[in-house]
This record gives sequence, structure tokens and C-alpha cells, in this order.
Amino acid sequence: SYELTQPLSVSVALGQTARITCGGNNIGSKNVHWYQQKPGQAPVLVIYRDSNRPSGIPERFSGSNSGNTATLTISRAQAGDEADYYCQVWDSSTWVFGGGTKLTVL
Amino acid sequence: EVQLVESGGGLVQPGGSLRLSCAASGFTFSSYEMNWVRQAPGKGLEWVSYISSSGSTIYYADSVKGRFTISRDNAKNSLYLQMNSLRAEDTAVYYCARADYSGTYFDYWGQGTLVTVSS
Repeated sequence: SYELTQPLSVSVALGQTARITCGGNNIGSKNVHWYQQKPGQAPVLVIYRDSNRPSGIPERFSGSNSGNTATLTISRAQAGDEADYYCQVWDSSTWVFGGGTKLTVL
Repeated sequence: EVQLVESGGGLVQPGGSLRLSCAASGFTFSSYEMNWVRQAPGKGLEWVSYISSSGSTIYYADSVKGRFTISRDNAKNSLYLQMNSLRAEDTAVYYCARADYSGTYFDYWGQGTLVTVSS
């Protein structure tokens, strides 16, 4: 079965750029989606198909995907961006999530 | 506005059964594929089950295959998850999630319902 690997935690200074990675075998050949989950809340889609933002998601959120790594980039990080972030792909009729990354804004 | 509201969670003994429901509104329910995704306390997200818009195609995660049954009633705009032979490791918040038209990601989620399996 396909596996996705994320760092457990990422820290970023307020106003700086955070990058959260998602590793998988030849993940660049798949569409990667990203979700944000704040404590006690349901996940929210922030990036779909590698680099597309749903309506209502700030332009500060962007994504890329190549080779064996997909990346979620959050520019000008704000305190409100503190959350868990999950990458996800579809593989052979299963929906696979990464283990999640806790983003801390310092 | 798209709304997904789960219900039916609660405390159940190991080996017991529970039926979760998800009431959908704000979109044409019968046109969308639906899923259940769960999250154990303090853990990450785990996809549980998928059902096509007509209900003709269904998939399950290996961890629940043979014990859980997904279904839908398009006339009632409702999604269901029948959970049998429950185990402690099934303890989680269960989310109802709508799939986008490609079926490959989840564009809307409910707030979740907590299932606790314990004696």
C-alpha cells in the first residue's frame, strides 16, 4: 500500500515562510491534496491537485509537487495558521493520508 | 451552503454495533460520492469507506472490511455507516466527507461524531 511521510512538526517565525513536506514514492506522478485541522475542528481543504486553492483560502497558501516530495508553503505565516496539516493522495481505490504535521508559529 | 451533520456516535462495548448517520444539505446529494474518515484520539486521519453517487460502488479500508457497511439514501439526503464487531481501536471521531467530482479528495467535511468502544 502507498505511504506518505510528513515531519511531525514544523516551526516558523511570525511573518516568515513555512514549508511542510510530504514524501512518497514517485509522488510527483499523483495529485496531492492538503488539509488544515485546528484543535477541536474538522479538517478544511486548503490545496487540491498539487497547487490549487479552494475559494476562501488565502493566496499565502501554495503547493508544489515533483519527484518524491510534495510541499505545502505558507507565506507570511500568521498565528491563525497554527494547526495540523495533512497531505493526501488517491491510490488504487484507497484514500491515503500522511501522518500529519503540527505547525507552530513562534 | 454545504452542510454535513453526523449523528449516532456514543459509547459501545467491544463486540457491539452502532449506526452512524450523516445528513447532507446545500447541494445535490445524489450527484456526489461520499466517504467516512475517522480520527482516533490524538492521532491522524484515516480513510474508512467510500460510496459512489448511486451506491453501486463501495470501497473499504482493510481495517474495517467485513465489519463496517456504508450505505446511502439519496431520497433522504443521508449517508450511513453500520459498524459491527466493534473493537477498542475503532474508537475515534468519525467524519462524513464529500468527494469532489473527481472523487479523489474531500472538499467538505462534517463536524464529526465520537465513537468510544470500551467496557
